[in-house]
Amino acid sequence: QLQLQESGPRLVKPSETLSLTCSVSGGSIYSDNYYWGWIRQPPGKGLEWVASIYYGGGTFYNPSLKSRVTISLDTSKSQFSLRLHSVTAAATAVYYCARGVIDFSSGYRADALDVWGQGTTVIVSS
Amino acid sequence: QAVLTQPSSLSASPGASASLTCTLRSGINVGTYRIYWYQQKPGSPPQYLLRYKSDSDNQQGSGVPSRFSGSKDASANAGILLISGLQSEDEADYYCMVWHSSAWVFGGGTKLTVL
Repeated sequence: QLQLQESGPRLVKPSETLSLTCSVSGGSIYSDNYYWGWIRQPPGKGLEWVASIYYGGGTFYNPSLKSRVTISLDTSKSQFSLRLHSVTAAATAVYYCARGVIDFSSGYRADALDVWGQGTTVIVSS
Repeated sequence: QAVLTQPSSLSASPGASASLTCTLRSGINVGTYRIYWYQQKPGSPPQYLLRYKSDSDNQQGSGVPSRFSGSKDASANAGILLISGLQSEDEADYYCMVWHSSAWVFGGGTKLTVL
């Protein structure tokens, strides 16, 4: 059974870089059938998609964060990572990693985010 | 104006049905979108419930009861999550999501209270 586990610093200082890693187990990260993504949720608020990456290449970013975000894939470690630069308090949130499905039969490269990690809390504060 | 709008809260009685709406911004035609629905309980990650575009293009999430179903109201330009036979365990936040302009967009979420 596929499992995703987020890891990274709980506390990040303003203006610094937030770095998170998602470890994938129980399944293959190097698959053309799936893509991988990050979603965040500020305290008491709704979900916000951050970024997605495909094994075969290709990245997508939330337009509001695009200039400060990088998502990458490390297939040798079965991990994918998120870096968010120049953070402010607005980046304080629970960060989830998730697997997305590619529906080739219907031509949808971005289908449901169907498996999620438990989430990791990141606080931006000096 | 947000791409997706959901009512902030909804209450319903056990055993009844609840209809949660997800309205697309004017100018964005609900008929062309797959709408995804998620359930989130306090302290837990979102769980994928289902996807609905049409009666011929829909998918139930793995292990999701058939009490959860999707539909659309074209006249309201909205996607709908219908939960029948409400149970206390259905009390949760529900989010809709669409792929729009090469980005995932979530609605603001609806808090469903079962009382």
